[in-house]
Order: sequence, then structure tokens, then C-alpha cells
Amino acid sequence: EDQVTQSPEALRLQEGESSSLNCSYTVSGLRGLFWYRQDPGKGPEFLFTLYSAGEEKEKERLKATLTKKESFLHITAPKPEDSATYLCAVQARSNYQLIWGAGTKLIIKP
Amino acid sequence: NAGVTQTPKFQVLKTGQSMTLQCAQDMNHNSMYWYRQDPGMGLRLIYYSASEGTTDKGEVPNGYNVSRLNKREFSLRLESAAPSQTSVYFCASIGLPLGPAAFFGQGTRLTVV
Repeated sequence: EDQVTQSPEALRLQEGESSSLNCSYTVSGLRGLFWYRQDPGKGPEFLFTLYSAGEEKEKERLKATLTKKESFLHITAPKPEDSATYLCAVQARSNYQLIWGAGTKLIIKP
Repeated sequence: NAGVTQTPKFQVLKTGQSMTLQCAQDMNHNSMYWYRQDPGMGLRLIYYSASEGTTDKGEVPNGYNVSRLNKREFSLRLESAAPSQTSVYFCASIGLPLGPAAFFGQGTRLTVV
């Protein structure tokens, strides 16, 4: 069964304290892995797509990496405005569905 | 740049009432999706439409129906609302099977009393 698990459920960091969020997945043939950011009361906002193991993408303080079993979202020197819930999803080659993790709620304290 | 537009943003229904959630995208995307999001759970797929003229059930289709009216519009209907359908509903669209990504509307917060 295709599955996505994100950890931790919540993460509290001080401003400037770097860390990583984890997305573990099981899928029969990965078409793509997606990272999204969701602010309260809003729809998820696209951050990155990763297609194959070894691939990395960067955007400002965020860097996403991919292995055959998991993806990491690394946050370097975070700021309070990085506080949000970060969602991971995978798409299998066999269909058009996206399979979502439950998300990691990130709180950056000034 | 509208992207994906959902209406309404908020709705309160009584048990047994019906309503339709509307979704429209202006990005010429082929695939459209309806999700529900509940606290502590990931986004759960209700129905999706891989292309105009096709619809398929997702993970939690019971109690819902959909219509892909044309390439732009994909509506979700609750025929007889139940308290278990209290949730935040999101519509999303994606251009190609390989991405680059799904784009989401702002959501509809539905409460069934």
C-alpha cells in the first residue's frame, strides 16, 4: 500500500536554529515527490518537486533532498516567517493520485 | 493571476441539506482534484478528474458526487450533508501527470450542524 509518513508532527525552533523535516514514503514506482507549505486558513502552496534519488532543490532557506525511501526538507537559519505546516506528497506512476503525509507543524520563535 | 478559485469560502449547513462547492482554474490544466482536510490528518482525496470528461473515486468518496463541467470547472456536491462532513475542502489542479505541481484553491470551511 502506498503510504507517506512525516516526522516530527511538530517542531519548535529558535530563530536561526537549523533543522530538518522528514518524509518517508512507500510507493510502487515514484513519479514525483512534492513539498508544500500551508499557512493557517490557506491552501497548500507548492515549494518543490523531486523526481529521482539524489536530486536536490533549494529555495531561500529551504533545501529538499530525495533518497529511494525518504525526503528531507532542510531549513537553514530559519526566521519566524518560516512558521507553517509543511506537507509532503508522492505521486505513483500507476495513477494520477497524490498521497499525502499528515504534515509537520514548524514554529520558529524569535 | 487567479489560479484556482473556490466558492464559497465558508458555509454552514443543517444535517440533510445539500450544496455544491464550485471550483474553477484558469491554468488550462487537465487534472483536477477535491480533497478534504481534517485536524491531525493528511489531505484525503474525495474525487479526481484526470481529464475533461472523466471522474474517479478517491479515498473517501461516500456522500459526495462530482461533475467535471468543462476543462476549467470541477464541482463537488453533497446531496445530504452529515456532521461527519464538517471539514475544510480544497480543490486543486495539475497540468501534467509529471507535474510540476498541484495548485490549490483557498479552501471552503464547511460546518454541518
